[in-house]
Amino acid sequence: EVQLLESGGGLVQPGGSLRLSCAASGFTFSNYAMSWVRQAPGKEPEWVSAISASDGRTYYIDSVKGRFTISRDNSKNTLYLQMGSLRADDTAVYYCARFIGGTSYDPFDIWGQGTLVTVSS
Amino acid sequence: DMQMTQSPSSLSASVGDRVTITCRASQNIDIYLNWYQQKPGKAPKLLIYAMSTLQSGVPSRFRGSGSGTDFTLTISDLQPEDFAVYYCQQSYILPKTFGQGTKVEIK
Repeated sequence: EVQLLESGGGLVQPGGSLRLSCAASGFTFSNYAMSWVRQAPGKEPEWVSAISASDGRTYYIDSVKGRFTISRDNSKNTLYLQMGSLRADDTAVYYCARFIGGTSYDPFDIWGQGTLVTVSS
Repeated sequence: DMQMTQSPSSLSASVGDRVTITCRASQNIDIYLNWYQQKPGKAPKLLIYAMSTLQSGVPSRFRGSGSGTDFTLTISDLQPEDFAVYYCQQSYILPKTFGQGTKVEIK
């Protein structure tokens, strides 16, 4: 079964750091570009970051540039999101998601169950 | 950033009804428009991509159409499991933005 499983969420103080992980199974992880998408309570999803399948190209939404770093370990079938200088407006459920194919026009066809990040003092 | 505007924000319908949700992009996105369904406490689920391609396993009562800036999701013969929130998303350009959602409720 194709599956993504996030972990690492929790409560963190403003200015703090957190690292999210996403374990992939049931498919050849190294063949797919991956992404993080977040969703604040009651809001629409918001794409946060993406990483290419194998050459390490990364992309970020402006609001997290310089604070978040996406990475992957294809030998461990795992995607990461290192989050720093966290702010209250980073509070959301964070999903990892797989791009359906190999182009930049692709949608997200597989999503994890999400992990909640709460930034609060 | 590309703005995606959905309408209506919510609607009430009965089982067996035909429902139409629209999505407008602030710029031409060709056919790169996707639709997702989300139920409470769950991740979004891909229904349709590239405007009209049905994702594997999605019932044929879901149909996508449009082009350029104006797109439509039509659900024919609404079923009890279709009551959910629906989001459009453009995948033409970064950042890949979503619409604000349309909640389909039971009348």
